[in-house]
Amino acid sequence: EAGVVQSPRYKIIEKKQPVAFWCNPISGHNTLYWYLQNLGQGPELLIRYENEEAVDDSQLPKDRFSAERLKGVDSTLKIQPAELGDSAVYLCASSARVRSIGPDTQYFGPGTRLTVL
Amino acid sequence: RKEVEQDPGPFNVPEGATVAFNCTYSNSASQSFFWYRQDCRKEPKLLMSVYSSGNEDGRFTAQLNRASQYISLLIRDSKLSDSATYLCVVSGYSTLTFGKGTMLLVSP
Repeated sequence: EAGVVQSPRYKIIEKKQPVAFWCNPISGHNTLYWYLQNLGQGPELLIRYENEEAVDDSQLPKDRFSAERLKGVDSTLKIQPAELGDSAVYLCASSARVRSIGPDTQYFGPGTRLTVL
Repeated sequence: RKEVEQDPGPFNVPEGATVAFNCTYSNSASQSFFWYRQDCRKEPKLLMSVYSSGNEDGRFTAQLNRASQYISLLIRDSKLSDSATYLCVVSGYSTLTFGKGTMLLVSP
C-alpha cells in the first residue's frame, strides 16, 4: 500500500518568494494534517482537515499561509511571501477514522524540507 | 510550562544496555498517549501506544502515570538500529501534541 506522498522533497527559495507544497494522503484516509517541524523540535500542527473541511486551523499563520483540500483527497499548503523563519520541514499526515473516540493512528509523509535564503 | 516535556539527550548507550526515557505533560485532560520514533531526516512513525495498565511490545515497555502526568519508555537489550529520536505524544480528542524528542545513540 502506498504511503503518504509529498512533493517536492526539497525546496530552496529566496525570501519574499511564494512556495507551495503538495500532499497525497493514503487512499481512504479522510483526515489530513499539515505539520511544521523545526530542527530539534517535535512536529507542530498547522491545520487539520476532515474531508474537505478545515476543522482546526488555529495554529496556521493566516497572514502568509494558506491551505486547501478541494476534493477531500490531496492538499496544498502555500506560503506567500516566505520569510527566513519559515525554513523547516513541512510534514503531511493522514489518518482514517476507525474509532469513535480518541485519535486515530497518523501516518506521516517524508516531508518537504524548505530553505529560505 | 510546555505541554509535553522531554529530556532532549542524547543518551549514549552501548549495545545490550537498558535505557529509559521519561516525559511529562501539562494537560490533565489528555486522553491518549503514544511514543513515536523518528530517524534522522525521516518522518515520525508510531512506535507504540501507552495504556494506563502499562504495555509491552518485545523489548519496549511503556507506562503511564496519570496522577503524576508522566509517561515512560523502557528499551531493553538496545540494538544499533534503535538509534533514533523518540517523541512523546499526548492527545485530547484528535490533535496530537509532540514533545521535542529524546535522542538515543546506541554504540557497538
